[in-house]
Amino acid sequence: DARVTQTPRHKVTEMGQEVTMRCQPILGHNTVFWYRQTMMQGLELLAYFRNRAPLDDSGMPKDRFSAEMPDATLATLKIQPSEPRDSAVYFCASGLREVTPEAFFGQGTRLTVV
Amino acid sequence: AQSVTQLDSQVPVFEEAPVELRCNYSSSVSVYLFWYVQYPNQGLQLLLKYLSGSTLVESINGFEAEFNKSQTSFHLRKPSVHISDTAEYFCAVSVFGNEKLTFGTGTRLTIIP
Repeated sequence: DARVTQTPRHKVTEMGQEVTMRCQPILGHNTVFWYRQTMMQGLELLAYFRNRAPLDDSGMPKDRFSAEMPDATLATLKIQPSEPRDSAVYFCASGLREVTPEAFFGQGTRLTVV
Repeated sequence: AQSVTQLDSQVPVFEEAPVELRCNYSSSVSVYLFWYVQYPNQGLQLLLKYLSGSTLVESINGFEAEFNKSQTSFHLRKPSVHISDTAEYFCAVSVFGNEKLTFGTGTRLTIIP
């Protein structure tokens, strides 16, 4: 059963702490997206990668956020230091554009920064 | 750059009544169009997509959407809704040659028994 796996599903942390969210894309997919969902802003694209190379991270606050793909099976999104305004649901999605242009979403990581 | 507008943030509909969720897009080049559905506390699931060919596309659970190039629209319709259709629906667009997927702000569909 191919699916995008995100860990953790829920994270509560104190302001100022580092947060790392992980994503395992569907095996064989070469495009990975990170989205943030809030009530106020809806779904925002933070960054996306193709073949592990970052193509666009213009939606990401550069001073505290970083996104990487250490290998083809793992994508990470880090926030350091975290702030209460970072509280949101963070979604990872993957795709294989050469076959079909849609993206397949994980279940998300619900982050609460107190 | 592409963009998507979903004009209605909330749509209440009586059970078994028809519904239309509106989506308009903006792009200077050819596009792919999508509708995703999000049930409470879950990720987004693809409902249907327009890539090319027939402008009317259907999902397995009775939804359909029609690509209208002249109107730059991709409205989602269902002739008779069910309680289980209660969810948030997102329209999305990407352009040929670019993986970037841009979403609208979503429409919350509430079914009234």
